[in-house]
Amino acid sequence: DTAVSQTPKYLVTQMGNDKSIKCEQNLGHDTMYWYKQDSKKFLKIMFSYNNKELIINETVPNRFSPKSPDKAHLNLHINSLELGDSAVYFCASSQATSGGLTGELFFGEGSRLTVL
Amino acid sequence: GEDVEQSLFLSVREGDSSVINCTYTDSSSTYLYWYKQEPGAGLQLLTYIFSNMDMKQDQRLTVLLNKKDKHLSLRIADTQTGDSAIYFCAGTGFQKLVFGTGTRLLVSP
Repeated sequence: DTAVSQTPKYLVTQMGNDKSIKCEQNLGHDTMYWYKQDSKKFLKIMFSYNNKELIINETVPNRFSPKSPDKAHLNLHINSLELGDSAVYFCASSQATSGGLTGELFFGEGSRLTVL
Repeated sequence: GEDVEQSLFLSVREGDSSVINCTYTDSSSTYLYWYKQEPGAGLQLLTYIFSNMDMKQDQRLTVLLNKKDKHLSLRIADTQTGDSAIYFCAGTGFQKLVFGTGTRLLVSP
């Protein structure tokens, strides 16, 4: 059984369109994340949710809107796509340890977004 | 915020040892991690070290931590072609992991 699953795996779209990526985890974790990996493989956190509440929003344009309907799901909606949004977007989950420190992250396989 | 730096590339021959280095700025990280990313896949945890340890050995993997110099290394003994991947170090911050820039390891037969 896949622990963290993302859909779609590949997404090719035109500039200006709106698209969504979905993520689900079956690990029972309370924290979920979106990370962006650019063409140089640099990995940067975008958002994190703990029990459906947004706890990290790292200077991401407000064209990006995450939504967590429950603690097992975290979706990412992107409005008005730009060329610079082309990247691989990774969803991850973890169980926060006491004191708020992050435990091991479990990653999905990534969603490769190409904006033409 | 935390900065985590790694060298970008490392090339070794099969059977040699590989050493991947990482430097970080925030000494308050309680745990330091090594993740592996194979082509077309997400990151997977390889090993981790608690900040009060200097060394941890896990089969072919040895992690060394020098807190004074804020330097972390991962040694892979008897490197195999299947070890070719990108390796990321990461430090724990409050409510998030901060990843290094990644080191691409290429193992040639």
